[in-house]
Amino acid sequence: NAGVTQTPKFQVLKTGQSMTLQCAQDMNHEYMSWYRQDPGMGLRLIHYSVGAGITDQGEVPNGYNVSRSTTEDFPLRLLSAAPSQTSVYFCASRRRGQEVYEQYFGPGTRLTVT
Amino acid sequence: EDQVTQSPEALRLQEGESSSLNCSYTVSGLRGLFWYRQDPGKGPEFLFTLYSAGEEKEKERLKATLTKKESFLHITAPKPEDSATYLCAVQPHASSNDYKLSFGAGTTVTVRA
Repeated sequence: NAGVTQTPKFQVLKTGQSMTLQCAQDMNHEYMSWYRQDPGMGLRLIHYSVGAGITDQGEVPNGYNVSRSTTEDFPLRLLSAAPSQTSVYFCASRRRGQEVYEQYFGPGTRLTVT
Repeated sequence: EDQVTQSPEALRLQEGESSSLNCSYTVSGLRGLFWYRQDPGKGPEFLFTLYSAGEEKEKERLKATLTKKESFLHITAPKPEDSATYLCAVQPHASSNDYKLSFGAGTTVTVRA
């Protein structure tokens, strides 16, 4: 199993550009989520999904869109990038019945918006 | 609002020099407190769960303890491979949101040989 994979690993965007961060898992996990990690702050939940076709907002959803058309994939879309979205983004997954703290994290995408 | 504060921000240790990391928290009823390890360029990896004051968990050179207001992660006789950022997170009781976790900013530990 590859576990949770994220692409790209690094990305630089200009203000106003859009892009999609990819996340995939091969563990057949129902639950997937996106976090951002900023210096001096803890991980913050952006969006999450409890199954294909079901998504919900987390703590900091503004400026981000998600969709979940398959169990395996959970892309995060930045509609119009802003410097405040410079961060490291982590995708995570877990199976139904597992506690949230047991979720598996991907390696992260480091995004810089200039 | 749930808050998690970790100290110190950074800790530099000599190999074999034991020390402790602190995680203080305020939460509306604690369901669980969790410790993670995060290596550079990687996502967090789960280490321990603690549920009630007085509880302790151990794994190799790491021991986590919990009181009603804080948790400590003790590193005994650390080795260079223990260098990482250690994250603390809390989950409140009876949350309508199963995803509700509040993370601290972490303590970055560097162990020199």
